[in-house]
Amino acid sequence: ETGVTQTPRHLVMGMTNKKSLKCEQHLGHNAMYWYKQSAKKPLELMFVYNFKEQTENNSVPSRFSPECPNSSHLFLHLHTLQPEDSALYLCASSQGFSNAYEQYFGPGTRLTVT
Amino acid sequence: TQLLEQSPQFLSIQEGENLTVYCNSSSVFSSLQWYRQEPGEGPVLLVTVVTGGEVKKLKRLTFQFGDARKDSSLHITAAQPGDTGLYLCAGSYGGSQGNLIFGKGTKLSVKP
Repeated sequence: ETGVTQTPRHLVMGMTNKKSLKCEQHLGHNAMYWYKQSAKKPLELMFVYNFKEQTENNSVPSRFSPECPNSSHLFLHLHTLQPEDSALYLCASSQGFSNAYEQYFGPGTRLTVT
Repeated sequence: TQLLEQSPQFLSIQEGENLTVYCNSSSVFSSLQWYRQEPGEGPVLLVTVVTGGEVKKLKRLTFQFGDARKDSSLHITAAQPGDTGLYLCAGSYGGSQGNLIFGKGTKLSVKP
């Protein structure tokens, strides 16, 4: 049990659908992250929130829209995705946003875009 | 350009064997973390190394950070099937940057 939960665990959606991924951390952390993990590629950082404020957006297409209503919850809203967006989407949290703090990951949402 | 190279990419061994996996970069990192990821799960943090030359042990796992803080190794003694998984290294440049740079990982399979 890592203290970071993600729902749903699996999601299949068409290219015209709109869906949301949810992440919740029970560790009292202040920073939360979205990563994309594709086959044969390193983990790619997508977004970072520190104290609910977005601090990083690594050139992610606008069809991915993050939301962080409080430091415990993080959402990733999806719309008009492409098949190449199929991947494992991982959420992580850390006590703060600096190299001194270790990141703890959730189990991920396996997304398939058809 | 991949900033963190992990080798080997795949490794299949028998239970009881020893193994070493490597994480190399041309960049200097402030700290480096090792994770293990099992199928269908997120990465789980194993260790963080901070000081050049540092060696940390976690039961049968020995982690070393290179003197120049550009590389790291993970050695497993007497591997067990439960060690099977994807081993990821991730480096941090430090300061106010919390971003981690991940390698592609080494996929380890330990057969009984």
